[in-house]
Amino acid sequence: DAGITQSPRHKVTETGTPVTLRCHQTENHRYMYWYRQDPGHGLRLIHYSYGVKDTDKGEVSDGYSVSRSKTEDFLLTLESATSSQTSVYFCAISESRGGRYNEQFFGPGTRLTVL
Amino acid sequence: QKEVEQDPGPLSVPEGAIVSLNCTYSNSAFQYFMWYRQYSRKGPELLMYTYSSGNKEDGRFTAQVDKSSKYISLFIRDSQPSDSATYLCASETGANNLFFGTGTRLTVIP
Repeated sequence: DAGITQSPRHKVTETGTPVTLRCHQTENHRYMYWYRQDPGHGLRLIHYSYGVKDTDKGEVSDGYSVSRSKTEDFLLTLESATSSQTSVYFCAISESRGGRYNEQFFGPGTRLTVL
Repeated sequence: QKEVEQDPGPLSVPEGAIVSLNCTYSNSAFQYFMWYRQYSRKGPELLMYTYSSGNKEDGRFTAQVDKSSKYISLFIRDSQPSDSATYLCASETGANNLFFGTGTRLTVIP
């Protein structure tokens, strides 16, 4: 998984509780991404980061926030989890962005269930 | 309308068959077209990518893009049980925002 770890790998939580997922990379790649994967929707981008403290929204960012204080770590926070946020969350990294194709490498995923 | 549409299958074929996986897309600005393979409970991994229209071959796999019809295809020759996975097509404009299809689950029966 290209030097990407995600923690936790599985989590069950209750509606209304805050949840933070962590993505850690050892590749020193500049760009990091959070996706969610749901049946019938495929992978959808939540937020991405293009450097320390530099982040931007993706297609489905409502209800999520992110932070990146170090190159190697990208955190995804659900401020108040809802059942609609039950999903599998994937972190991805890429070396650069724009003008040419840059492969995104995906982590192993975090399976989140909100009851 | 989704940016990238993909038949979810599932698709089941006997070992040795030729497999054809297809997607369509709506955004004319897409320049890069990717196929990712995802095994159960794993993250997606890039299989191959194509820039603009044309064919690209890698071993038993051939990716094909027809920009005039906005059609993306992946062909697998001599399919093997180890090819059993979910195949995701994806497209991007070059700004690294990937848009994925929903994935097609393929099973190759020995």
